[in-house]
Amino acid sequence: DAGITQSPRHKVTETGTPVTLRCHQTENHRYMYWYRQDPGHGLRLIHYSYGVKDTDKGEVSDGYSVSRSKTEDFLLTLESATSSQTSVYFCAISAGTGDWETQYFGPGTRLLVL
Amino acid sequence: AQKITQTQPGMFVQEKEAVTLDCTYDTSDQSYGLFWYKQPSSGEMIFLIYQGSYDEQNATEGRYSLNFQKARKSANLVISASQLGDSAMYFCAMREGLPSGSNYKLTFGKGTLLTVNP
Repeated sequence: DAGITQSPRHKVTETGTPVTLRCHQTENHRYMYWYRQDPGHGLRLIHYSYGVKDTDKGEVSDGYSVSRSKTEDFLLTLESATSSQTSVYFCAISAGTGDWETQYFGPGTRLLVL
Repeated sequence: AQKITQTQPGMFVQEKEAVTLDCTYDTSDQSYGLFWYKQPSSGEMIFLIYQGSYDEQNATEGRYSLNFQKARKSANLVISASQLGDSAMYFCAMREGLPSGSNYKLTFGKGTLLTVNP
């Protein structure tokens, strides 16, 4: 257990509404990531953070923004949700040192955009 | 080209038998890492095992071992003595380059669904 929680765990929303997903960690990890999981695609990186206020884009960042105002929280925002953003969203942290650094995942958030 | 390829969408194995899940990767980096994760039907992603590109020995973690063949660019997961609780989706993933946080991004395969039969 890497001390990662995600909220909400499930959400149903309508097209065009803003949505914010929260990832919270309790172990002061520097690096945090947001992935989405879709059938037939595995997990794909949306955005990641390498420190407070330091973020960068991943493979599928269009339509998403992130913020990290404190170490423990990494927020993912869908400014105007679309049906294509229906997915399972995972937050992850990296822990360990050097070559043994490993990513650990939160429980996931199921988002349905109608 | 896909960086991680898992060619087996589904696999079946009898309880107590061993099973190999295939993973091939594509990278031009000399330094990289390979990971396997398990996702049971409950949905969480569970880290299983890691192999670094410079590791000369295959990684092992309990009943899990990673059959690393660098020249073939394969990193197959071997589960010995399968149990019913091993039924899950299994993902292979790769980190390219040295782990330094900002470039520590994982690329995932599409997964293999393993079913263990009693």
